Amino acid sequence: KAGVTQTPRYLIKTRGQQVTLSCSPISGHRSVSWYQQTPGQGLQFLFEYFSETQRNKGNFPGRFSGRQFSNSRSEMNVSTLELGDSALYLCASSFRDTGPGETQYFGPGTRLLVL
Amino acid sequence: QKEVEQNSGPLSVPEGAIASLNCTYSDRGSQSFFWYRQYSGKSPELIMFIYSNGDKEDGRFTAQLNKASQYVSLLIRDSQPSDSATYLCAVNAGGFKTIFGAGTRLFVKA
Repeated sequence: KAGVTQTPRYLIKTRGQQVTLSCSPISGHRSVSWYQQTPGQGLQFLFEYFSETQRNKGNFPGRFSGRQFSNSRSEMNVSTLELGDSALYLCASSFRDTGPGETQYFGPGTRLLVL
Repeated sequence: QKEVEQNSGPLSVPEGAIASLNCTYSDRGSQSFFWYRQYSGKSPELIMFIYSNGDKEDGRFTAQLNKASQYVSLLIRDSQPSDSATYLCAVNAGGFKTIFGAGTRLFVKA
């Protein structure tokens, strides 16, 4: 079974631009979570989607948004990029939800550099 | 207080020794607990999960959970240089959200 895939793997943008990242979960997985990872802050939860509905959101500004499609693929968008948005963006999928015992599997990540 | 706390390390152990990694969490309602391993430049990969008090063993890895003390640990027996990585503790307290600790860097010296 194929793992979680993320595209693109690397991105270079300039301040003020916007970016869209894509995530395809493991086949049959319906929950997709997004995380931002930076050396200083570690893995920070962005949001979680299940059946096209956002069920939880982390403490990030409104510039960060996401959506999920009927095939469970998910996208996240960051508008008006800032230097501090440079990070590794990770997507993780799970079968049902992130309840007890439910494990998440991570994609390879998209490394975003904002200049 | 951070929701999930780990000693950032680095923790250095000789090859063949037991590495002990610790994690505390603040939400008493937390239900499930995970250990992930992350090699430099790679994404996290799941090692184990545990949601009942006590020990859970899988090969060289043992996870220990003490909900009363809000404490979870990971023991790695017979540590190998290939175990050198950052180990992330993650906690799910419901609400469709998993909180990660900052990770502990482990070095296993050959």
